[in-house]
Amino acid sequence: GQQVMQIPQYQHVQEGEDFTTYCNSSTTLSNIQWYKQRPGGHPVFLIQLVKSGEVKKQKRLTFQFGEAKKNSSLHITATQTTDVGTYFCADGGSQGNLIFGKGTKLSVKP
Amino acid sequence: SAVISQKPSRDICQRGTSLTIQCQVDSQVTMMFWYRQQPGQSLTLIATANQGSEATYESGFVIDKFPISRPNLTFSTLTVSNMSPEDSSIYLCSVEDQFGSRVLFGSGTRLTVV
Repeated sequence: GQQVMQIPQYQHVQEGEDFTTYCNSSTTLSNIQWYKQRPGGHPVFLIQLVKSGEVKKQKRLTFQFGEAKKNSSLHITATQTTDVGTYFCADGGSQGNLIFGKGTKLSVKP
Repeated sequence: SAVISQKPSRDICQRGTSLTIQCQVDSQVTMMFWYRQQPGQSLTLIATANQGSEATYESGFVIDKFPISRPNLTFSTLTVSNMSPEDSSIYLCSVEDQFGSRVLFGSGTRLTVV
């Protein structure tokens, strides 16, 4: 079945360093969504990308959707301790039925 | 955006028993979704709950184990039946927002089976 591969599984950074997580799909995605899950919390929607080559920014976060709509990335500039959590990409599919990547767990050392 | 209330937030249950998880949304939604997140893992869709019809289950999940009710457009329940320790997970309900651009999650039910 449809799978979304996400790497790396873990990332440990020093506060102030940048962080990037990548998602890849073997098939073309209709859209891709990104979620953040804080430790002990539930996934919180960050953004949806729909268009080929789309780039969206939210403060220090930059989201990209590949030209072929098969890959996406989330880049955080100058990480802060508040960025700690697990970042998931998800194939948006249709009507709320999400297929999640395995997530990248980010830890930030102050 | 919709507000989702899920309860219980956590429970510790004996093996062989069943637990029913409730999900209430503050607005009418066509479809509600139930996910499972095993410890340290990603989220996996269990089923889609449609009002007025049987839930649609994903591969690996069956109605006898995870019966779902959807009596109206704002409420759904998921029952985890005949529990074993392998059912220890976080169970989350979710809905798609009115614009179809994002999926919102309830706060989850952390289930431990002993």
